[in-house]
Amino acid sequence: QAVLSQPSSLSASPGASASLTCTLRSGIDVGSYVIYWYQQRPGSPPQYLLRFKSDSDKQQGSGVPSRFSGSKDASANAGILLISGLQSEDEADYYCMIWHSHAWVFGGGTKLTVL
Amino acid sequence: EVQLVESGGGLVQPGGSLRLSCAASGFTLSDYNMNWVRQAPGRGLEWVSSFSSRSSVIYYADSVKGRFTLSRDNAKNSLYLEMNSLRAEDTAVYYCARDTMDVWGKGTTVTVSS
Repeated sequence: QAVLSQPSSLSASPGASASLTCTLRSGIDVGSYVIYWYQQRPGSPPQYLLRFKSDSDKQQGSGVPSRFSGSKDASANAGILLISGLQSEDEADYYCMIWHSHAWVFGGGTKLTVL
Repeated sequence: EVQLVESGGGLVQPGGSLRLSCAASGFTLSDYNMNWVRQAPGRGLEWVSSFSSRSSVIYYADSVKGRFTLSRDNAKNSLYLEMNSLRAEDTAVYYCARDTMDVWGKGTTVTVSS
């Protein structure tokens, strides 16, 4: 089982909200980790969006709109990236990441389609 | 402006070697942890290696351990990745990224094929 699992795809309508999940493997407690989120548009390198550990320990990337936000669902052992007011430019791949056992670990990525 | 520029990619035969470079500008590379991340065609992101600025410890993914070597030249403000015994599965775009991946370069493409 992968350390981080993300749905491979998600579709949502312009103006709506999208909730992207990043589920940690059983035995790895989401509460102990900082979850990092990245956006990658086709043909471009990834871009840092934000980091989230708790409501008191979070950081927005420079220039990242406030409609991108992070949270956690402890009951699901998952990190969440919420994108509100979806725009066509939000169509991209989104990756989560944690530092685990002396290694950076990425989720497999979620392809977000805005249609 | 904070910037990372990778170079050194190319076509190499299986078993061959390549040395990637990452030139930093707008910040002092030695003040930060630095990383290499790769992305195979049509695939997701895969962490390759990291240099801890505080401890000088270097970490490697199991998939490259023993074959790849990360190094740094503070005078040139540059990071390097020496890649040996290359395999077809090493074919990817290789990105240099700062610290917690808050800054990325545009990447350099490595193709391993006969």
